[in-house]
Amino acid sequence: SYELTQAPSVSVSPGQTASITCSGDKLGDKYASWYQQKPGQSPVLVIYQDTKRPSGIPERFSGSNSGNTATLTISGTQAMDEADYYCQAWDSSTVVFGGGTKLTVL
Amino acid sequence: QLQLQESGPGLVKPSETLSLTCAVSGGSISSSSNYWGWIRQPPGKGLEWIGSVYYSGTTFYKPSLESRVTISVDTSKNQFSLKLTSVTAAETAVYFCARHLAVVGSDPFDMWGQGTVVTVSS
Repeated sequence: SYELTQAPSVSVSPGQTASITCSGDKLGDKYASWYQQKPGQSPVLVIYQDTKRPSGIPERFSGSNSGNTATLTISGTQAMDEADYYCQAWDSSTVVFGGGTKLTVL
Repeated sequence: QLQLQESGPGLVKPSETLSLTCAVSGGSISSSSNYWGWIRQPPGKGLEWIGSVYYSGTTFYKPSLESRVTISVDTSKNQFSLKLTSVTAAETAVYFCARHLAVVGSDPFDMWGQGTVVTVSS
């Protein structure tokens, strides 16, 4: 079965750029989506179709996808961005989630 | 504004069937541009997709769960449901229902319910 791999944790200083990666076989041939989940809350879609932001998502969130790696980039990271981030893609009519990355802003 | 609300028993005994319903309000479950899914999250762990359903009733499931899962839609009640048989304690989790936004090749989950905690225990 298809797998998406994420680093368990990433740390970033406020105002700096955070990069969260998601790896999968030929992931660049698929579309990647990204979700933000804060403790006790439901996930929120922040990026879809590799690079698109839903309405209401700040411009500091951006995405890219090429080769075997999709990347979520948060520019000018704020304390409110501290959360778990999950990548997601489709493979053979099934939805696959990455294991999640905990972003710490310190 | 579209809203999704999960409901169902919070406690299920091992080997029994977990049954949940997701009520959709603020929009029609029959919209051809959307379809619907179930996702779960064990305590302290990541997201796991269970399966999804079109308003027409067409379904697709996570292969490892397919033999035990049924997802159905009731357009008259604007809701869809999840049944998972022969549950074990390892399936204790928060269960979310969500909407797929139909975007070619991407179809992300753009709207989520608040989630409901289901504990599997005798």
